[in-house]
Amino acid sequence: QVQLVQSGAEVLKPGAAVKVSCKASGYSFTSYYIHWMRQAPGQGLEWMGMINTSGGSTGYADKFQGRLTMSRETSTSTVYMELSSMRFEDTAAYFCAKSLTSGWSNVFDSWGQGTLVTVSS
Amino acid sequence: EIVMTQSPATLSVSPGERATLSCRASQSVSRNIAWYQHRPGQAPRLLIHGASTRATGIPARFSGSGSGTEFTLTISSLQSEDFAIYYCQQYNNWPAPTFGQGTKLEIK
Repeated sequence: QVQLVQSGAEVLKPGAAVKVSCKASGYSFTSYYIHWMRQAPGQGLEWMGMINTSGGSTGYADKFQGRLTMSRETSTSTVYMELSSMRFEDTAAYFCAKSLTSGWSNVFDSWGQGTLVTVSS
Repeated sequence: EIVMTQSPATLSVSPGERATLSCRASQSVSRNIAWYQHRPGQAPRLLIHGASTRATGIPARFSGSGSGTEFTLTISSLQSEDFAIYYCQQYNNWPAPTFGQGTKLEIK
């Protein structure tokens, strides 16, 4: 069955960068985009961006431009999300999710378990 | 940005009863809306897309309706595993989808 397994929780200081991984299994990795969302404490879900797992092209939400980098490693079916210059307000659970259909789809049919990232001095 | 507003924030319902959750979009999203279930500590699960199409493996007690700006998720007979947080999401606006703040469905 489809599985997305994310890396473990992180605690970082302000100004640092975090890199979260998302390892996919159970389907053709390069046929579906992977998206990243986050959820700050007490807040709703926020779309951050996506990566074309086949060609590697990316698209990011405006608020993360310049700080966010997504990459993929096809040999291990793994996607990475790196957010730099972390601020206290970046404290959140970060989720990867697979597109429902091949190509760019903004409906997400499988999600990772979430990675809690805490920014603390 | 299209703002999605869910109501109520918390809904208390007894097992076996019907639950009706609402979602309103700040502008028309046609039928490009999805619903997700999120239990604490677990991965979110896709329930409905295209406003009314159940995702693979989703029980028939879950149904979605609506178009334009007003949408409803109905759970016809609540089971214990249905008590969770539910999110609506619009994907009409390109490229960035937006989510509602969620409705917490709790046991009465």
